[in-house]
Amino acid sequence: DAGVTQSPTHLIKTRGQQVTLRCSPKSGHDTVSWYQQALGQGPQFIFQYYEEEERQRGNFPDRFSGHQFPNYSSELNVNALLLGDSALYLCASSLGGLYRSPLHFGNGTRLTVT
Amino acid sequence: EDQVTQSPEALRLQEGESSSLNCSYTVSGLRGLFWYRQDPGKGPEFLFTLYSAGEEKEKERLKATLTKKESFLHITAPKPEDSATYLCAVQLGAGNNRKLIWGLGTSLAVNP
Repeated sequence: DAGVTQSPTHLIKTRGQQVTLRCSPKSGHDTVSWYQQALGQGPQFIFQYYEEEERQRGNFPDRFSGHQFPNYSSELNVNALLLGDSALYLCASSLGGLYRSPLHFGNGTRLTVT
Repeated sequence: EDQVTQSPEALRLQEGESSSLNCSYTVSGLRGLFWYRQDPGKGPEFLFTLYSAGEEKEKERLKATLTKKESFLHITAPKPEDSATYLCAVQLGAGNNRKLIWGLGTSLAVNP
């Protein structure tokens, strides 16, 4: 049973650049949530996609955008990178929309902005 | 304001020394409480969901309980491989207003 997979695992970017992170949900799941986690902190909710639409958004600027594809996979795009965007970006999948089932996480993409 | 607080921030145990982690919450309309385990550099791993006061769930050396104000994660006779950060998250709201609030976690170290 394939779990949540994220790519790439690590990424180094320069301030001002743009980045795209990818996520494939756990088999059978149709909802994808993205989180940002700084060292020693809990996950911070970015947004959630269900039925190819953004259903809910956390307190993140519109430099953060996303997309969900018909096969339920998802992308997170971050434009005009800032040093403060350096973090572990986690994708979580679930079933049936907004928190209708427990979230299952991938192992994240470690983004470093220099 | 809805809030989730985990204590202690860090805990160091000797192998076999049982203890409990606490997740207290001040929220309106609890819909569920989740426990996760997170190893360094990895994503959180789902452990338990609790929905109502009095509910208990067990998995190997872990047992989660829920009251109206807090949840406990009891670790019985821990082993070094139980070392990790344990996160709790509270779900509240209904319909399109559902949201999840996370605690900051308890970092557990079990010494052999």
